[in-house]
Amino acid sequence: DSGVTQTPKHLITATGQRVTLRCSPRSGDLSVYWYQQSLDQGLQFLIQYYNGEERAKGNILERFSAQQFPDLHSELNLSSLELGDSALYFCASSVAPGAITFGSGTRLTVV
Amino acid sequence: GESVGLHLPTLSVQEGDNSIINCAYSNSASDYFIWYKQESGKGPQFIIDIRSNMDKRQGQRVTVLLNKTVKHLSLQIAATQPGDSAVYFCAELENAGNMLTFGGGTRLMVKP
Repeated sequence: DSGVTQTPKHLITATGQRVTLRCSPRSGDLSVYWYQQSLDQGLQFLIQYYNGEERAKGNILERFSAQQFPDLHSELNLSSLELGDSALYFCASSVAPGAITFGSGTRLTVV
Repeated sequence: GESVGLHLPTLSVQEGDNSIINCAYSNSASDYFIWYKQESGKGPQFIIDIRSNMDKRQGQRVTVLLNKTVKHLSLQIAATQPGDSAVYFCAELENAGNMLTFGGGTRLMVKP
């Protein structure tokens, strides 16, 4: 157990729907990162939050959004889902820039 | 872009042999490097790191080598075991940067 908790572990939904993925960082970590991993790509950075504020943005689609709450947990919202959004979504956390600790991921399947 | 699955570079080794996984990085301002291991169905796990003021660092059965001149990083695994089968990612952090940049990954397959 890495200390980073992601729920749900698996999610199956239809095209056009909206889902919310949840992440609780390791105790004491202020930064949360979201990554997408598809079958034909590596780890694609989506977005980072630090203590509730957006810190960095990567290849995140406009249909996707995230936030970090005062208790430091984070949610990634994916809307108007398409088949190509099927992927593993990882959350990671860190206390400072450097090594990040990953959760076990949410596997999203869009049918 | 990077690729996993069928498009990942694959290294196949015999159990008990040593493995060397390579990574080229492009940012000369990077000063911190990490190797992660990702087993099937799991999140990437930290293996070992190295700062740019070093050229070698050893862990348990693993060694990371850094050649800043040619911007090359390698991970050596001694006496490779079936449990080492996984995808290995290198990651770099730019000096004063905020975020790791991941390489595309290499799949290591260990033959019994």
